[in-house]
Order: sequence, then structure tokens, then C-alpha cells
Amino acid sequence: DAGVTQSPTHLIKTRGQQVTLRCSPISGHKSVSWYQQVLGQGPQFIFQYYEKEERGRGNFPDRFSARQFPNYSSELNVNALLLGDSALYLCASSSTGTFRNTIYFGEGSWLTVV
Amino acid sequence: EDKVVQSPLSLVVHEGDTVTLNCSYEVTNFRSLLWYKQEKKAPTFLFMLTSSGIEKKSGRLSSILDKKELFSILNITATQTGDSAVYLCAVEWGNTDKLIFGTGTRLQVFP
Repeated sequence: DAGVTQSPTHLIKTRGQQVTLRCSPISGHKSVSWYQQVLGQGPQFIFQYYEKEERGRGNFPDRFSARQFPNYSSELNVNALLLGDSALYLCASSSTGTFRNTIYFGEGSWLTVV
Repeated sequence: EDKVVQSPLSLVVHEGDTVTLNCSYEVTNFRSLLWYKQEKKAPTFLFMLTSSGIEKKSGRLSSILDKKELFSILNITATQTGDSAVYLCAVEWGNTDKLIFGTGTRLQVFP
């Protein structure tokens, strides 16, 4: 079975641009969470979606938004990119939305803002 | 503010050494504590701890939680070069998939 898949794996954007990152959860998983990991830091929670509804939001500005589709895949959008948005963006999926060692992380999308 | 603090930030050892990684937390809605290993990109799951004093083991790795003193340790015995990675401690917040991570401990094991 395929794991959590994310795309693109690497991308470079210019300040002020917009970016969309995509995530496909493990088959049968209905919960998707997004994390931002800046170099040298631990991942920080951005959003969780469960059954297409936002279930949690971290301390990120409104430039960050996300959605979940009927097939449970998800997109993370970041508008008006800043240099500080350069990071590894991780997607995680779980089967019930309530963590019980069933959460799996994707390989991440490396975003560089120049 | 909820926080998870790991120490040391970095550790350099030789193969065969035993290491202890520390994690302390102050989280209002604690549900469980988790340890992950991150080598390149995706953190890989090691342990989930919910009860105090019960050691979890997997090969050379073991971990224990103290909910009274709000900390956990991860032990690695007979370290190998393949153990070189960043070890992340995270606390599950409430009944969700929200994980609050520490900064991580970078372990380097030399032959």
C-alpha cells in the first residue's frame, strides 16, 4: 500500500508569490494534518482536517489556508510568501483523527522562498 | 503556553556507547507523549507513552514516561552509526492529531 504522498518534493518561489502543496493520505485515512518544520526546529502544527472539516488550527497567519477534498486528499495554500516561509512542509494522515500510533508522515515538500 | 523541551540539543558519541535523551513538557491538555526518529525527511514513529512508569522497549531503544514530573527519557544502548538522526519528542494535545514537538536532539554516532 502506498504511504502518505506529497507533491511537489522541492520548489523555489519568489517573495510575494503563492504556493499550493498537495497531500494524498494513506488509503482509508480520513484525517490529514499539516506541519511546518523550519531548519533546526521541530515541526509546528498548522492545520488538521477530518472528514473534510477543519478540526484544528495552529498559530499561523491567515496567509495559510487548507482544504480537504471528498477523496480525503488535501491542499495547503500559502499566499504572499515571505522568506520566513522557507521550510519543510509535512503532511500526516491517520485513520480516525484521534491519534493512536496510527499517524504517518509523508516525505514532505521543501519550499525555498527567495 | 504549551511547550516541549528536549535536551541535550546535540550529542556526539562513539559506537557502542549508551545515550539518554531527555524530554520535559508543559501541556495543558496532555493525551500522550511520542518519540520520533528523523533521518532525512519524514519523522518515523518510535514509541507512544500514555502511562507513567511503564517502560516501552524496541530492540536497543527504550523509553519511559513520568507524568508527575512531566518528563520522558529515550535510551539507546550499544549505539550504531545507523542511529545517527534527530530524535523528536512530541506531545499529543487533546483528542486530535495535533502534536506539539520539541526542537529535537541531534545524535551523531561515529565508528
